[in-house]
Amino acid sequence: KNQVEQSPQSLIILEGKNCTLQCNYTVSPFSNLRWYKQDTGRGPVSLTIMTFSENTKSNGRYTATLDADTKQSSLHITASQLSDSASYICVVSEDTNAGKSTFGDGTTLTVKP
Amino acid sequence: DAGVIQSPRHEVTEMGQEVTLRCKPISGHDYLFWYRQTMMRGLELLIYFNNNVPIDDSGMPEDRFSAKMPNASFSTLKIQPSEPRDSAVYFCASSLLLRETQYFGPGTRLLVL
Repeated sequence: KNQVEQSPQSLIILEGKNCTLQCNYTVSPFSNLRWYKQDTGRGPVSLTIMTFSENTKSNGRYTATLDADTKQSSLHITASQLSDSASYICVVSEDTNAGKSTFGDGTTLTVKP
Repeated sequence: DAGVIQSPRHEVTEMGQEVTLRCKPISGHDYLFWYRQTMMRGLELLIYFNNNVPIDDSGMPEDRFSAKMPNASFSTLKIQPSEPRDSAVYFCASSLLLRETQYFGPGTRLLVL
């Protein structure tokens, strides 16, 4: 069964600090991996999308890495801001006709002043 | 583009009543997805359409749930009859291609009493 596991479940950091969120998956065959940010009460917003051949992708202060061999991804947030407080969801899609996606449970990040 | 539009934003109904959720995808997007999000189960894909045709409805929980897409700019998700366990946030998302970034609407928060 395809699974996406995220860690930690929740994280509290001080404003200005860096942090790294983890995503491990068993989805096969692999098509792509996406990181979404979901603010409370809103829909998820895409941060990055990576295919098999990409091992890093940045979007401002967000940098995602992918190791397709170990089936691991990380999302690094640099110089955190209060507005980074949100849930971060890792989503992995299959490389099949159905192209199904498996969602992680998310990491809840709280940035404190 | 205004993004994905969903209505209503909030819905409170009594058990046994029919509920209809509406979605307008981003113009030009060929794929439309319906998701349900709860604290217990996270984000779950219910059904998705390609060019108005339902492709995968394996996530639809029961026969009480039905979805239609009569044209490229409108979709509905209907629950009849509704039950308290259907209480959740229902998101609609659209994308250009199946495995590309999905753009989510603001969601409909449904409470069934």
